[in-house]
Amino acid sequence: DAGITQSPRYKITETGRQVTLMCHQTWSHSYMFWYRQDLGHGLRLIYYSAAADITDKGEVPDGYVVSRSKTENFPLTLESATRSQTSVYFCASSDWTGYNEQFFGPGTRLTVL
Amino acid sequence: KNEVEQSPQNLTAQEGEFITINCSYSVGISALHWLQQHPGGGIVSLFMLSSGKKKHGRLIATINIQEKHSSLHITASHPRDSAVYICAVSPLSYNTDKLIFGTGTRLQVFP
Repeated sequence: DAGITQSPRYKITETGRQVTLMCHQTWSHSYMFWYRQDLGHGLRLIYYSAAADITDKGEVPDGYVVSRSKTENFPLTLESATRSQTSVYFCASSDWTGYNEQFFGPGTRLTVL
Repeated sequence: KNEVEQSPQNLTAQEGEFITINCSYSVGISALHWLQQHPGGGIVSLFMLSSGKKKHGRLIATINIQEKHSSLHITASHPRDSAVYICAVSPLSYNTDKLIFGTGTRLQVFP
């Protein structure tokens, strides 16, 4: 499928488990982003990547790990999930144009029990 | 204080009304973005603008760079316009594609 996809779309897990959220884009965009969206906070940047093998922290990186071995994939791992990580997670990508238009995936709703 | 502020936070309207959502920001920017998120849905880009005005169907976005302010207008609103509208800016100080987001305006349009 063309565009940007996320999997799974819904996930329920337990405290302490490791969870990986997948993000895949077909445009060969250089930039990819992970956000979490919570009521009252809007979108907050967790991690971003400017290219394969280049990643950097965003606003709320604690408890998350990312990797980007291929341009098209940007998985987000919660190493030991906590209830405070219950959220909706969005992946986005953009091409470096100077205007920063980002294209968002459909989101993953994660519940940590 | 957030670098991007939106008002109002919540907005209800009757079908057919003219709607305005405001966005103010405090940093120098290269562009401002308006995004739309339907309930339970994904996020789509409506407009990206760096000056003046853009129009798409019943949606109009304006920006005043000097006043650091943008407005999103919806003419002849319809219940399908019910969504969260998010303002985001591309700061000049960033040398990356990162954005700063407002917290969104929740719009409900009733028939």
